[in-house]
Amino acid sequence: GDSVTQMEGPVTLSEEAFLTINCTYTATGYPSLFWYVQYPGEGLQLLLKATKADDKGSNKGFEATYRKETTSFHLEKGSVQVSDSAVYFCALSGITGNQFYFGTGTSLTVIP
Amino acid sequence: KAGVTQTPRYLIKTRGQQVTLSCSPISGHRSVSWYQQTPGQGLQFLFEYFSETQRNKGNFPGRFSGRQFSNSRSEMNVSTLELGDSALYLCASSSGTGLYQETQYFGPGTRLLVL
Repeated sequence: GDSVTQMEGPVTLSEEAFLTINCTYTATGYPSLFWYVQYPGEGLQLLLKATKADDKGSNKGFEATYRKETTSFHLEKGSVQVSDSAVYFCALSGITGNQFYFGTGTSLTVIP
Repeated sequence: KAGVTQTPRYLIKTRGQQVTLSCSPISGHRSVSWYQQTPGQGLQFLFEYFSETQRNKGNFPGRFSGRQFSNSRSEMNVSTLELGDSALYLCASSSGTGLYQETQYFGPGTRLLVL
């Protein structure tokens, strides 16, 4: 079945460091891929998405490229800020109806 | 547009009781999905409703049930609560047209504590 494998955390970075959170997926056909972010005490917010191969999603300095050949959708940001501290979830929307599959989440802490 | 709203935000119940959580989707959205989030199991899919019908179901016992009303609002019910049901319950809505490229938008969640 469809699934998402996400880099284990927690990740701790200094402010202005480069961020990569790895995400790979297994799916039938051509799923849509998403990154969500969850701040403490809140629900999930959509960060970015890509709906077909080679699409690049971007938002708030974060980017991820849908790589079909490596079945990956890694999240990157060139210079993290303290306000980026949160839990990040990779997800896919499969072809079998409106069901999402989430990774386990990666906790990011950015220290000044 | 107003976002997804969930009520109540916090609940404390005791073992054996039952609980009902409510979710109002974004206006115009017809699909509502429910998730359970716990530190140990992460985000787990409970079920999805579209046009008042359960369309997808996760792997949870029958104590977990839901329904959707004609205005797309949804409720989930947990009967005979167990300590392990303590979790953040998240609701997400989408347009529900059936296209797999849809985006789900999440509410703030209901935090349930079972004592």
